[in-house]
Amino acid sequence: KNEVEQSPQNLTAQEGEFITINCSYSVGISALHWLQQHPGGGIVSLFMLSSGKKKHGRLIATINIQEKHSSLHITASHPRDSAVYICAVPHMDSNYQLIWGAGTKLIIKP
Amino acid sequence: DTAVSQTPKYLVTQMGNDKSIKCEQNLGHDTMYWYKQDSKKFLKIMFSYNNKELIINETVPNRFSPKSPDKAHLNLHINSLELGDSAVYFCASSPLAVRETQYFGPGTRLLVL
Repeated sequence: KNEVEQSPQNLTAQEGEFITINCSYSVGISALHWLQQHPGGGIVSLFMLSSGKKKHGRLIATINIQEKHSSLHITASHPRDSAVYICAVPHMDSNYQLIWGAGTKLIIKP
Repeated sequence: DTAVSQTPKYLVTQMGNDKSIKCEQNLGHDTMYWYKQDSKKFLKIMFSYNNKELIINETVPNRFSPKSPDKAHLNLHINSLELGDSAVYFCASSPLAVRETQYFGPGTRLLVL
């Protein structure tokens, strides 16, 4: 069974700070997902990555396959970045099932 | 144009009732999912369909029955609703399997009284 752990569970920061959210998993994977759930409840896929780094605007996701670890960074954070950030990895035995992390609740104060 | 849509967005009903939630995707994806998000905010897979065929059927009471009339639609019917069914139900789709990006619907907030 593939376990997914995220840290921190909660993070409060001031506007403009550099944010890092971490995700560790226990077995080999082919891809890792980062998603964002807005306070209103909607879920948006941010990244899917299998190696290296991806960047989209102020968001950067990195993955180290050997260390089984991924990070999500937010540069120049803004109150609208306040959300829950979730990482997920494919289940070992299924092409159709993701194992979800518990999420990191991020609050950016103005 | 909404990629993955769900109806209704809110559903308040009495215990024992039967209700349905509909999901449609216009992305041409082959795979669709139903997730349940409980009060602790964990997302749990309930069902997955690939091209109208049931792929995943997690430990879900048989009061929950998914139906996929075509690959663009995956509906969820719930019989004899219970208080513990109160949650947010998300539909999602992906081109093929979970190694591809999933697109989520807006969620249906179900409250059973």
